[in-house]
Amino acid sequence: NAGVMQNPRHLVRRRGQEARLRCSPVKGHSHVYWYRQLPEEGLKFMVYLQKENIIDESGMPKERFSAEFPKEGPSILRIQQVVRGDSAAYFCASSPPRQGAETQYFGPGTRLLVL
Amino acid sequence: KQEVTQIPAALSVPEGENLVLNCSFTDSAIYNLQWFRQDPGKGLTSLLLIQSSQREQTSGRLNASLDKSSGRSTLYIAASQPGDSATYLCAVALGGGYNKLIFGAGTRLAVHP
Repeated sequence: NAGVMQNPRHLVRRRGQEARLRCSPVKGHSHVYWYRQLPEEGLKFMVYLQKENIIDESGMPKERFSAEFPKEGPSILRIQQVVRGDSAAYFCASSPPRQGAETQYFGPGTRLLVL
Repeated sequence: KQEVTQIPAALSVPEGENLVLNCSFTDSAIYNLQWFRQDPGKGLTSLLLIQSSQREQTSGRLNASLDKSSGRSTLYIAASQPGDSATYLCAVALGGGYNKLIFGAGTRLAVHP
């Protein structure tokens, strides 16, 4: 009974490269949230997706960032042309397909370092 | 705009002490409030969830209270142990059909033997 899985756990990129972060939700969960945690700060909401739909992307930077949750396969958070300020821990959480489902299950995070 | 603040930012105590961690939020229109534990380099573990209609929740040595009208929650840890050392995060859910969480910056707790 696997929990939320994220890979890679650690990712190093040089400025200008692309970063792809993957999140496999708990089996049967159709809601995925992405959060970003900068050093010494709390988590900040980025985007909420249901299968094949972006529901709320109010926390996502307008440029260079995109997210998807296809019908098959993991959710992907993609960061193009990374900059040093993108260095952070990125957490994915999933919840079951009930409206207002309360409990989010968090993955271990991907720690992105931009050199 | 909902903002969540946690005090203190860091806390160091000897083993056995009873602790109170504080969380405040600016908008009382919340769906629920959760306390999480985060260990270094790890993900988040949910400790307690309090619905907006509830006043408190208890789990073992942990007790969390919620006062929506004043925008405050406290996490009480009884008889602290070194294994309680971690960062404790408070988060409020805004509702609206899904569970977008607004987090505080956390309290870093160190319990020494």
